[in-house]
Amino acid sequence: NAGVTQTPKFQVLKTGQSMTLQCAQDMNHEYMSWYRQDPGMGLRLIHYSVGAGITDQGEVPNGYNVSRSTTEDFPLRLLSAAPSQTSVYFCASSYSGPPGAFFGQGTRLTVV
Amino acid sequence: GENVEQHPSTLSVQEGDSAVIKCTYSDSASNYFPWYKQELGKRPQLIIDIRSNVGEKKDQRIAVTLNKTAKHFSLHITETQPEDSAVYFCAASNADSWGKLQFGAGTQVVVTP
Repeated sequence: NAGVTQTPKFQVLKTGQSMTLQCAQDMNHEYMSWYRQDPGMGLRLIHYSVGAGITDQGEVPNGYNVSRSTTEDFPLRLLSAAPSQTSVYFCASSYSGPPGAFFGQGTRLTVV
Repeated sequence: GENVEQHPSTLSVQEGDSAVIKCTYSDSASNYFPWYKQELGKRPQLIIDIRSNVGEKKDQRIAVTLNKTAKHFSLHITETQPEDSAVYFCAASNADSWGKLQFGAGTQVVVTP
């Protein structure tokens, strides 16, 4: 099993650009989630999903969209990148709640 | 909503001593309390968790205690080793609403030989 795989590992965007962070898991987990981690702060939940076709908002959903068309994939879309979205993004999955038993390796995003 | 406060922000201990990290939460409906370890540049790892129907849980050198009345929970690491050096995060959540999962700001633990 590869576990939770995130791509890319690093990304630099210009303000206003859009992009999609990819997250895939091969453990047949129902629960998947996206977090952002900023210096000096804990992780903050952006969006989560409890199964294919079901998503919901976390603490900081503004500026991000998600979809869950398959059990394996849970992409995070940045609609119009802003410098405030500069952060490290983690995807996580678990067989049943809570979202966060297995983390991906993270994506370091810089918006200039 | 839930608010989780974590103390101390940094903790330096001698190898072999114990380390204790404390977290308080505000939402009385929270019933799940995980702890994560994150080494520099690495992903967070779930190291132990506790649910509100138990007061204490142990896993080798790590233990977590929960006081629901006072709304606080603590991580205890005994016989610390250099590889315990990392940032530790607590979190609190309501199992009926995972969207309310809230993390503490983290504790940098440094174990000196």
